[in-house]
Amino acid sequence: ETGVTQTPRHLVMGMTNKKSLKCEQHLGHNAMYWYKQSAKKPLELMFVYNFKEQTENNSVPSRFSPECPNSSHLFLHLHTLQPEDSALYLCASSQATIRGGSNQPQHFGDGTRLSIL
Amino acid sequence: QQPVQSPQAVILREGEDAVINCSSSKALYSVHWYRQKHGEAPVFLMILLKGGEQKGHEKISASFNEKKQQSSLYLTASQLSYSGTYFCGVIGGATNKLIFGTGTLLAVQP
Repeated sequence: ETGVTQTPRHLVMGMTNKKSLKCEQHLGHNAMYWYKQSAKKPLELMFVYNFKEQTENNSVPSRFSPECPNSSHLFLHLHTLQPEDSALYLCASSQATIRGGSNQPQHFGDGTRLSIL
Repeated sequence: QQPVQSPQAVILREGEDAVINCSSSKALYSVHWYRQKHGEAPVFLMILLKGGEQKGHEKISASFNEKKQQSSLYLTASQLSYSGTYFCGVIGGATNKLIFGTGTLLAVQP
């Protein structure tokens, strides 16, 4: 079983739809992340969760709503998205200290390819 | 701010060497290097902490100059499997907020 699993792999939705992306890690990590990767752009950090608490929101629009019910699961709830939100959404996990510091590698899932019609 | 990588792209023949640079405008706590193949997830290569250390893994090594706020990734005797986009990621303090660089596309040809 892979370390970080994301579902679905592909998602096509209209601008008025509501959908959720799911991420699950089997590595025993206590920090989880959402990244956005647009075409020809670098990875863009969206949210960071340490020990289920959100410690970073990188100025993400409110139409993206993260949820971390436990250290193994991370969701990204989507509603009323815009065409420019079409991208690859990557989840990652790592070990972290209680204060959020980390020099540990991040392990990425294969991502969800999101297309907004 | 996002670190800047150079070059943006490089094409090599098998067996040739390459250097990828990562520069930040802010003081750095650590630098991470990842490689992403097309259609796949980024894969961790190595982490360097401030202190100017150099790390290596087989024929891929890296250095970190905290005074210059720069890191360099060295690929020696490149193999076809080295092809992909290389990203540096920087952390500016005791956090795990990793900011990735602009990326360098590396293509190794036979």
